[in-house]
Amino acid sequence: SQTIHQWPATLVQPVGSPLSLECTVEGTSNPNLYWYRQAAGRGLQLLFYSVGIGQISSEVPQNLSASRPQDRQFILSSKKLLLSDSGFYLCAWSRQGRTPQHFGDGTRLSIL
Amino acid sequence: GQQLNQSPQSMFIQEGEDVSMNCTSSSIFNTWLWYKQDPGEGPVLLIALYKAGELTSNGRLTAQFGITRKDSFLNISASIPSDVGIYFCAGPPQNNNDMRFGAGTRLTVKP
Repeated sequence: SQTIHQWPATLVQPVGSPLSLECTVEGTSNPNLYWYRQAAGRGLQLLFYSVGIGQISSEVPQNLSASRPQDRQFILSSKKLLLSDSGFYLCAWSRQGRTPQHFGDGTRLSIL
Repeated sequence: GQQLNQSPQSMFIQEGEDVSMNCTSSSIFNTWLWYKQDPGEGPVLLIALYKAGELTSNGRLTAQFGITRKDSFLNISASIPSDVGIYFCAGPPQNNNDMRFGAGTRLTVKP
């Protein structure tokens, strides 16, 4: 069966510090991978998606970037965090064709 | 046009009651998905619907893909405390593979 792992589960970072969140998928190959942000009590905002190694599409202009160095690895990064980057970050995967998506347990990011 | 309107925004019910929530859009959707999110965790897929008119159950949960392909509902029968959470509808609009998510329905169940 397929599993998706995200880490860390929680992270507290100062403003201006760098960020690296990691997501890996097991049990499948060539998945579509996604990064979402969820503000408190709100819906999901798609940040990035990837259909293959090195292929990244950005949905919204922002302070974050994503990379896919391996087939089942998706990384969310920032060089300098802003206060507005606080939130709950979710990684998801799907088979090619995009539905349904399956989510990781998320990373709670707090910026101080 | 391709946004999902999910209602109600929140519900406060007594244990044992039935629950109904729905999603509508002005666009036609190819697939309707229903997720549940527990606090501090990622959404978990509950039910996936792929055909107009399809009615699918998962335990006490039942969801239907509207015949117009522009709406879907989720029913929960005989609610229990562990049903507490946020329920999201989602799906890709026709001619567009991007996933759209509703804003969620926050369910509170009082014992």
